[in-house]
Amino acid sequence: DAKTTQPNSMESNEEEPVHLPCNHSTISGTDYIHWYRQLPSQGPEYVIHGLTSNVNNRMASLAIAEDRKSSTLILHRATLRDAAVYYCILNTGTASKLTFGTGTRLQVTL
Amino acid sequence: GAGVSQSPSNKVTEKGKDVELRCDPISGHTALYWYRQSLGQGLEFLIYFQGNSAPDKSGLPSDRFSAERTGGSVSTLTIQRTQQEDSAVYLCASSRDTRRNSPLHFGNGTRLTVT
Repeated sequence: DAKTTQPNSMESNEEEPVHLPCNHSTISGTDYIHWYRQLPSQGPEYVIHGLTSNVNNRMASLAIAEDRKSSTLILHRATLRDAAVYYCILNTGTASKLTFGTGTRLQVTL
Repeated sequence: GAGVSQSPSNKVTEKGKDVELRCDPISGHTALYWYRQSLGQGLEFLIYFQGNSAPDKSGLPSDRFSAERTGGSVSTLTIQRTQQEDSAVYLCASSRDTRRNSPLHFGNGTRLTVT
């Protein structure tokens, strides 16, 4: 299975933009890039996904490199409620079965 | 609209007892998934359903674990003769279908503690 690599942790100040990187050098042409986040004591929450083009939604933006070997999740203005573990996942299978890694723990401070 | 609902939210049981965990997916979602998350660990895939069928049971840790789904809706995960290593948060998710661009919607899980 194609794997992703993310930093273990990142810090941000409140109201500043956050760029969460993800490397996926073995991605194949049909793999979708998904991002989820998990707040304390909750189940994972879908954030955004994309295939080749950059994507925007109300929660975040996803910037995908031209060669698709990396992507960046962008939170435009971090708030304390954005403190969570962020998972970058490749949907490679036929059943949308996702393999979660260890993710990036984002800390947001005042 | 209503999200994925799991019950109970917490369950404490004695070693050797059987437990049943329930998942109510989002209405209309054909795919349903079970994961578990041990303390401080990542998510571990257990099983998924397409309709009432389970094409992939590869993640079930042992034959003490089983799951079923009826009416293309509610699913039950059963653990027989529970062991202490079964203690974890059991998470259920559903998606509209199994295409690669279908997001998963998770419930908040059942926290199982085996004493």
